[in-house]
Amino acid sequence: QSALTQPASVSGSPGQSITISCTGTSSDVGIYNYVSWYQQHPGKAPKLMIYDVSNRPSGVSNRFSGSKSGNTASLTISGLQAEDEADYYCTSYTSRTTWVFGGGTRLTVL
Amino acid sequence: EVQLVEAGGGLVQPGGSLRLSCAASGFTFSSYWMHWVRQAPGKGLVWVSRLNLDGTTTGYADSVRGRFTLYRDNAKNTLYLQMNSLSAEDTAMYYCAREGKVATLDFWGQGTLVTVSS
Repeated sequence: QSALTQPASVSGSPGQSITISCTGTSSDVGIYNYVSWYQQHPGKAPKLMIYDVSNRPSGVSNRFSGSKSGNTASLTISGLQAEDEADYYCTSYTSRTTWVFGGGTRLTVL
Repeated sequence: EVQLVEAGGGLVQPGGSLRLSCAASGFTFSSYWMHWVRQAPGKGLVWVSRLNLDGTTTGYADSVRGRFTLYRDNAKNTLYLQMNSLSAEDTAMYYCAREGKVATLDFWGQGTLVTVSS
């Protein structure tokens, strides 16, 4: 199972918006709405930010939003803040009843 | 408060075995599917394995199938990962995670580090 494709890095200035893409296939992202996004700060465990493509868990800022079109899911962070600087990973359930993660995207807040 | 505490990591020689554990608290452990996810140093997250409520249905990544076995003791609120025939490619931080809503890993432990080296 190949990893989902994410850009290695993105950056933005405080207050701006950024979008991270996550491209899969018709065996994962394309056929399931089980796409989640995780934030990971250095040395910390991942934290769930978005589930089922576009739903936010309780306690996650509404500056985080998710969407999907075809085989590509996206995470958008609006009103960038310094504390958003972290690694972000997407994941999807697959037709083989396994999970696949993206390679991760390093977000830098300039 | 939901807590997942991994243990059992350490240094092991190539070809060796190790058993990881994940102690759960703050929720009804027997009501949740559980997962292991690993992260090699400086690399991304990789899904490893998943176990159903009563331990009868498992799923494994191709890279560990046949070498790793996932099981649970619901009476002890503990998840286990038995790892055999370890190689350097298995060196990673191993996280256990709870599957809350379907296909969503909503809580993660802090991880336990496994290093395979001679």
